[in-house]
Amino acid sequence: GNSVTQMEGPVTLSEEAFLTINCTYTATGYPSLFWYVQYPGEGLQLLLKATKADDKGSNKGFEATYRKETTSFHLEKGSVQVSDSAVYFCALTFTDKLIFGTGTRLQVFP
Amino acid sequence: DGGITQSPKYLFRKEGQNVTLSCEQNLNHDAMYWYRQDPGQGLRLIYYSQIVNDFQKGDIAEGYSVSREKKESFPLTVTSAQKNPTAFYLCASSMGQVRSGNTIYFGEGSWLTVV
Repeated sequence: GNSVTQMEGPVTLSEEAFLTINCTYTATGYPSLFWYVQYPGEGLQLLLKATKADDKGSNKGFEATYRKETTSFHLEKGSVQVSDSAVYFCALTFTDKLIFGTGTRLQVFP
Repeated sequence: DGGITQSPKYLFRKEGQNVTLSCEQNLNHDAMYWYRQDPGQGLRLIYYSQIVNDFQKGDIAEGYSVSREKKESFPLTVTSAQKNPTAFYLCASSMGQVRSGNTIYFGEGSWLTVV
């Protein structure tokens, strides 16, 4: 079936370190792919998305490239900040709904 | 401001009681969704609605009910039949079908605790 697999957290980094959060997917057809971010006690905010193979989504210094050959959509940021500490969710479209991964917690320390 | 408003933010319910969570959006979106989030887990879809007066079950609809009488409103009732209702509930909406590339936007969520 259609599913999303994310690396388990927490991911712990020092400020200004490079970030990668892995996301791979299984899907029929050609889904759109998303990264959402959730700050403590809040709802989810769209971080970036890509709707077709080789598309790169980017926002606030975060990037992810839709790789059909490896069925991946890894999230990267060159230099993280303490304010990036949150839970990050990878998701894909399936018919009329989104299917989410289990989320990866990122903790950034000064 | 445009957005999705969920209320209440925190709700306590006694076992055996039904409770209704409100979700209102002023984005003029056609589609609305309810997700449940348990600690350390991803989001699971409860119900969704593509259009007024129509809705479909998601992956975990048992023990829940919804209505979509108005475009801007999609209330969720957690019934006494829901065996483990304590969770964080998220309402969301999108302009159209996500299969067409539309983005889903989320409200701030409602915490439900059964005491």
